[in-house]
Amino acid sequence: EAGVAQSPRYKIIEKRQSVAFWCNPISGHATLYWYQQILGQGPKLLIQFQNNGVVDDSQLPKDRFSAERLKGVDSTLKIQPAKLEDSAVYLCASSLYQIGDRTGTGELFFGEGSRLTVL
Amino acid sequence: LAKTTQPISMDSYEGQEVNITCSHNNIATNDYITWYQQFPSQGPRFIIQGYKTKVTNEVASLFIPADRKSSTLSLPRVSLSDTAVYYCLVGESNSGYSTLTFGKGTMLLVSP
Repeated sequence: EAGVAQSPRYKIIEKRQSVAFWCNPISGHATLYWYQQILGQGPKLLIQFQNNGVVDDSQLPKDRFSAERLKGVDSTLKIQPAKLEDSAVYLCASSLYQIGDRTGTGELFFGEGSRLTVL
Repeated sequence: LAKTTQPISMDSYEGQEVNITCSHNNIATNDYITWYQQFPSQGPRFIIQGYKTKVTNEVASLFIPADRKSSTLSLPRVSLSDTAVYYCLVGESNSGYSTLTFGKGTMLLVSP
């Protein structure tokens, strides 16, 4: 079974430039997550989708970050304009979890991440 | 919001059993407890999830007391390859959906 695919693996940009990350979740997974992981810290949830709808984007800096999941499959995360503090690994994950499930979130499957360096 | 507290780091030797305890005093009735493992330059990997009492799989056991305010991940006979960061997560249930929030994690170092 193919895992969660992310691209690019590495990206270096200058501040105020824009960048986009792409994620292809595991086939059939309803829920998709974007996490930001700054060096030395745990992953921080940015946005959670169920199918193509947003269920939680409370920690997404909406003045510069945007995300979409068209057709409930692939997703893109965009940063515009980037700041120095956006340097981090951006992790995409997917799961079978759906709202109302009473058996917990189940297993989240993570991609390898996209490492962003903002100079 | 449910928060978790776990040791920043732990040291062990190959072949020993390692127990990592996590406290989550504000856990809600619908929340599950989940543990993830993360190696450098990789995404976190699911280890185990439970709601109460004890859960065991091929890699670990999870012990949850009756009050569910803490949980203990038990790794039997660790090897060098178990050196990693271990995260304890409690689902934050809001409006019917559950979100997983990672804390700082426990850095486990296994030595020969």
